[in-house]
Amino acid sequence: DGGITQSPKYLFRKEGQNVTLSCEQNLNHDAMYWYRQDPGQGLRLIYYSQIVNDFQKGDIAEGYSVSREKKESFPLTVTSAQKNPTAFYLCASRGQGVTEAFFGQGTRLTVV
Amino acid sequence: ELKVEQNPLFLSMQEGKNYTIYCNYSTTSDRLYWYRQDPGKSLESLFVLLSNGAVKQEGRLMASLDTKARLSTLHITAAVHDLSATYFCADEPGYALNFGKGTSLLVTP
Repeated sequence: DGGITQSPKYLFRKEGQNVTLSCEQNLNHDAMYWYRQDPGQGLRLIYYSQIVNDFQKGDIAEGYSVSREKKESFPLTVTSAQKNPTAFYLCASRGQGVTEAFFGQGTRLTVV
Repeated sequence: ELKVEQNPLFLSMQEGKNYTIYCNYSTTSDRLYWYRQDPGKSLESLFVLLSNGAVKQEGRLMASLDTKARLSTLHITAAVHDLSATYFCADEPGYALNFGKGTSLLVTP
């Protein structure tokens, strides 16, 4: 089945640790996105990538890093510089042309 | 600043009633997207509106777009409990979807 897979579903991070959230898609989509959702809030854009080996900062990129070495994969690293990382993280992808973005099932990150 | 404002943010309505959710956006985008999110879940695409005057319907939900007024509406007809969810609208300021804060809808008996 075609889709977007995020892993893990739940992730716990200790203070000062870096953690990496995985996002893989087999939809052959060029564009991929990372959003953060806090309780009762909309989605805020962290990073996006339109093509392989290229990515751009979104509205809240500080404390996060990404890579796009393969078309299928767009991992997000939450670094220790992100002071308030507890949130629901959603990865999305989008094909060429005017289409909606399709979302993965999300990763819930909690700082312990 | 790019803004997408939804109104209301919280809505409790009785089964069988009608209601409209409003989405105002600040860009000159001619595209508008509606998504649904169930508690603890991801986002599911509902509608893609691609031009001024676009209207789309799926079951008890109907979405429309007025690009001149920078306004989209999501109309709920004869609400049922299964429609309880959070509804997001998003415009497209050129590179990614820009979301509103969402409207939490609760349909009660």
